[in-house]
Amino acid sequence: AQSVAQPEDQVNVAEGNPLTVKCTYSVSGNPYLFWYVQYPNRGLQFLLKYITGDNLVKGSYGFEAEFNKSQTSFHLKKPSALVSDSALYFCAVPSTSGTYKYIFGTGTRLKVLA
Amino acid sequence: EPEVTQTPSHQVTQMGQEVILRCVPISNHLYFYWYRQILGQKVEFLVSFYNNEISEKSEIFDDQFSVERPDGSNFTLKIRSTKLEDSAMYFCASSEALVAGGYNSPLHFGNGTRLTVT
Repeated sequence: AQSVAQPEDQVNVAEGNPLTVKCTYSVSGNPYLFWYVQYPNRGLQFLLKYITGDNLVKGSYGFEAEFNKSQTSFHLKKPSALVSDSALYFCAVPSTSGTYKYIFGTGTRLKVLA
Repeated sequence: EPEVTQTPSHQVTQMGQEVILRCVPISNHLYFYWYRQILGQKVEFLVSFYNNEISEKSEIFDDQFSVERPDGSNFTLKIRSTKLEDSAMYFCASSEALVAGGYNSPLHFGNGTRLTVT
């Protein structure tokens, strides 16, 4: 079964420093991987996706993600964190059940400190 | 930019009562979902809906739950007899289908309905 894991419940980073939010995956076949962000009292918003091709995927708000097949990872990165990046981040993978269900990781709370 | 809208934003109900949570997905989307999130933590899949029928449902989605797309624009989640443990944030989402299939299509979420069962 498809799954993703986010090993960190919370990540703290100083404003201006690079940030990384980790995600590892377990999928059969070609992986399709997604990152979403959730701000307080809001729904999840799509950030970026990996389908195939370049291992570095660029997304919204200056975020990017690096797909690493050998490490089965899809870490979210940003070169310079902003306080406004503080939010809950989820990686996700679609199920292979043919019903287009998306399976979300447990989420990582990013806190950017001024 | 088109949005998924959910109403109400907050619903308080007594245990045993029926509630209906409403959603208007993005108009050209074909796949519809309900997820829930308890205490701002894990996002749990409830049900997916395509072509006017349920595609898949989770173990959470028992006989007390039902979904409907009554008029081609609204998408509703009904909980027949609410329990305390149904208290959660309920999110509706929709996605469009691409030629290669739905896996390429990200989900678009509404801002949720916070359900409180007392």
